Amino acid sequence: QKEVEQNSGPLSVPEGAIASLNCTYSDRGSQSFFWYRQYSGKSPELIMFIYSNGDKEDGRFTAQLNKASQYVSLLIRDSQPSDSATYLCAVMEGTYKYIFGTGTRLKVLA
Amino acid sequence: KAGVTQTPRYLIKTRGQQVTLSCSPISGHRSVSWYQQTPGQGLQFLFEYFSETQRNKGNFPGRFSGRQFSNSRSEMNVSTLELGDSALYLCASSFLATGDGYTFGSGTRLTVV
Repeated sequence: QKEVEQNSGPLSVPEGAIASLNCTYSDRGSQSFFWYRQYSGKSPELIMFIYSNGDKEDGRFTAQLNKASQYVSLLIRDSQPSDSATYLCAVMEGTYKYIFGTGTRLKVLA
Repeated sequence: KAGVTQTPRYLIKTRGQQVTLSCSPISGHRSVSWYQQTPGQGLQFLFEYFSETQRNKGNFPGRFSGRQFSNSRSEMNVSTLELGDSALYLCASSFLATGDGYTFGSGTRLTVV
């Protein structure tokens, strides 16, 4: 059973700090990696995706991928209280199917 | 641009009954996937449809089934409901489902009593 693992948290950071969220995956053949944000009582929304080793930046968000170590991370710079949510890591398994981690709850303290 | 629409938003059913949930994807999206979300298990993949064909299926019992219509709208059905089927059922659409990410609907909250 292929797995995606995340620390459930909560991860608490002060406003303005960098939040670092991590995810490891078991399938070495995985090629596509996604980060979703889910506010309490809402459905997940796509933040960004990454396919290649290295960093990918989008505004305050940076995704980092290291296929050799099988981990993907999400950095949130200048964290805001509105960033408080659960962050889900998803890995594409084979074709047409994503495996989701159980999410890390982030709390940004004002 | 309309998002992914799921109906109904809430359902309460009795054990042993069956239920049908509906999903209308974003216009132009031909791939529709279904997930079950529970606090303990997180998001679990049910199945994916593209052009009326089921292309992948998760590890759920045969009581869970789905279909997709020619207009890309999809339905999922759960027969002989069990208490453990209580969950948030999320539909997600994408253009191809081969790495372009999902847009999720608001979900259907199913409670089995």
